[in-house]
Amino acid sequence: DAGVIQSPRHEVTEMGQEVTLRCKPISGHNSLFWYRQTMMRGLELLIYFNNNVPIDDSGMPEDRFSAKMPNASFSTLKIQPSEPRDSAVYFCASSLLAGGQTDTQYFGPGTRLTVL
Amino acid sequence: GNSVTQMEGPVTLSEEAFLTINCTYTATGYPSLFWYVQYPGEGLQLLLKATKADDKGSNKGFEATYRKETTSFHLEKGSVQVSDSAVYFCALSDHNTNAGKSTFGDGTTLTVKP
Repeated sequence: DAGVIQSPRHEVTEMGQEVTLRCKPISGHNSLFWYRQTMMRGLELLIYFNNNVPIDDSGMPEDRFSAKMPNASFSTLKIQPSEPRDSAVYFCASSLLAGGQTDTQYFGPGTRLTVL
Repeated sequence: GNSVTQMEGPVTLSEEAFLTINCTYTATGYPSLFWYVQYPGEGLQLLLKATKADDKGSNKGFEATYRKETTSFHLEKGSVQVSDSAVYFCALSDHNTNAGKSTFGDGTTLTVKP
């Protein structure tokens, strides 16, 4: 099993540019999570999907952030326009939701985003 | 709502020392409890878990017991190694909350010195 795949692994961009982060969850998993991690704020849940449907996006910082999951094997997190304070490591995780309870979350290696 | 409180770090130990990282939780219902570990430059990965009261999770010499009476899930290891240096996260998942959402603690950074 390849695990959760994220791309790119590193992204450096300038303020105002659009950034798109990509995630391929583990095959057969039906829940997908986007997290952001910084030294100041720790690990934050941005949004999560069950069966490709967004369930809770209350962690999305503002309208500049959007996420989609067009099918069970792909999700994107987009920031437009990007700002220096968006610099962080963004993680995607997937899990199998059964009986209303999430089991182990499997994290990808993360995308390190730097906005200049 | 659900919450997880874990021992503040950083924690610095010498090799072969005993490790305890405290974790307490608040949840409705009967959550599953997890410890995740994050090595430098990597994503979080499951270290161990327990799904019901009195269960003991164990892996790589680490152990934690699900204590419902004290709402705790403390992580222990008898003899730490330099390679155990990492950030450790306690977490829970509870079907009474938004189905599928887990709650994580703030993480505890462990440094083991030779």
